[in-house]
Amino acid sequence: GAVVSQHPSWVICKSGTSVKIECRSLDFQATTMFWYRQFPKQSLMLMATSNEGSKATYEQGVEKDKFLINHASLTLSTLTVTSAHPEDSSFYICSASRTLETQYFGPGTRLLVL
Amino acid sequence: KQEVTQIPAALSVPEGENLVLNCSFTDSAIYNLQWFRQDPGKGLTSLLLIQSSQREQTSGRLNASLDKSSGRSTLYIAASQPGDSATYLCAPSGNTPLVFGKGTRLSVIA
Repeated sequence: GAVVSQHPSWVICKSGTSVKIECRSLDFQATTMFWYRQFPKQSLMLMATSNEGSKATYEQGVEKDKFLINHASLTLSTLTVTSAHPEDSSFYICSASRTLETQYFGPGTRLLVL
Repeated sequence: KQEVTQIPAALSVPEGENLVLNCSFTDSAIYNLQWFRQDPGKGLTSLLLIQSSQREQTSGRLNASLDKSSGRSTLYIAASQPGDSATYLCAPSGNTPLVFGKGTRLSVIA
């Protein structure tokens, strides 16, 4: 149990376009979902925390207007990278939890912006 | 704010060796601590989760210990194999989301 999926698993896009990444909890209801970003050879850095039905809480330095997060249901959160640029190329990983004690991670989405 | 340090940053060992990966964290008010494995270009695989009330957890050749009061955890890998080559991340969980260390990049040479 506690499976989290992400779609797409990888995406290549042109600079200036927007990209949407989905994160789904497949067999449980996630009250909270988290979005992380990982640059090559770096650790995972938390971008934002989202609770179902409310606005996401962004970490310092993360532009909320650039990284739009929607958590419309207890099983789905989306991250939209708006007007993507090459510096946004990264590995984006989501996680979902029923309580803050345990997070279940998705397989990640690799974004390459040309 | 929780800070996590993992030592060593990289480790290369011959196959068959037993090895220890270290993790230290600054805020001991945690619910649990998880160890993850990450293969290059892949997501996270959860290896072990230790509750704050526990001192260790074992899974196969892996043993993780937790000393919450001193802010330390170790991951012990017995009889290492080339398939163990990956980056190992520790992440304590408290009142905030998981905070990750930079990881230990392990290479086991056949």
